[in-house]
Amino acid sequence: DTAVSQTPKYLVTQMGNDKSIKCEQNLGHDTMYWYKQDSKKFLKIMFSYNNKELIINETVPNRFSPKSPDKAHLNLHINSLELGDSAVYFCASSQVLGGELFFGEGSRLTVL
Amino acid sequence: KNQVEQSPQSLIILEGKNCTLQCNYTVSPFSNLRWYKQDTGRGPVSLTIMTFSENTKSNGRYTATLDADTKQSSLHITASQLSDSASYICVVSYHYGGSQGNLIFGKGTKLSVKP
Repeated sequence: DTAVSQTPKYLVTQMGNDKSIKCEQNLGHDTMYWYKQDSKKFLKIMFSYNNKELIINETVPNRFSPKSPDKAHLNLHINSLELGDSAVYFCASSQVLGGELFFGEGSRLTVL
Repeated sequence: KNQVEQSPQSLIILEGKNCTLQCNYTVSPFSNLRWYKQDTGRGPVSLTIMTFSENTKSNGRYTATLDADTKQSSLHITASQLSDSASYICVVSYHYGGSQGNLIFGKGTKLSVKP
């Protein structure tokens, strides 16, 4: 009965590879987000989708491409991984844009 | 520039003691302010929300205050427990372009409660 679930929880890969992180929410929320938390623990918004439509697209390299097949899913695909992409990526959802955020458990990406 | 500053950056206290975390913001126009708790290895969880008209709100041993005039909020933890060890993140929402959904995150305060 997990509210926001993301997979995988851990991901270790080589530089240059392409990887995806999947996120699903069963809360019936309209808005979903991807956040990046770096080694200093600062949470930074990457993308926000409202009803499958891209709302927020912060300054993120275009190697990062979100995809929302439906309101309950927001996946993140990363091409040509770089060392600096190593971080914990959190998926979140809210009932409305800017409402209370419900976070997933995070996906720790390590690029070697 | 819209900013949220939290202090202290980190804090160590003994179990059973009280502590207060600070959040100062320059976000405008203000919509609301939330405090989130992030346990190690977990996603953040909302503790409380403060709107413009609210001065104080409690959630168990957590009490949040808001002074909209000075643009300051505090989170007071009473009779701390080991399970309070976490990062506490202040998030301010503001109006922009007809939307209330823009969020500014603070960098968090890392609290360690020692036995």
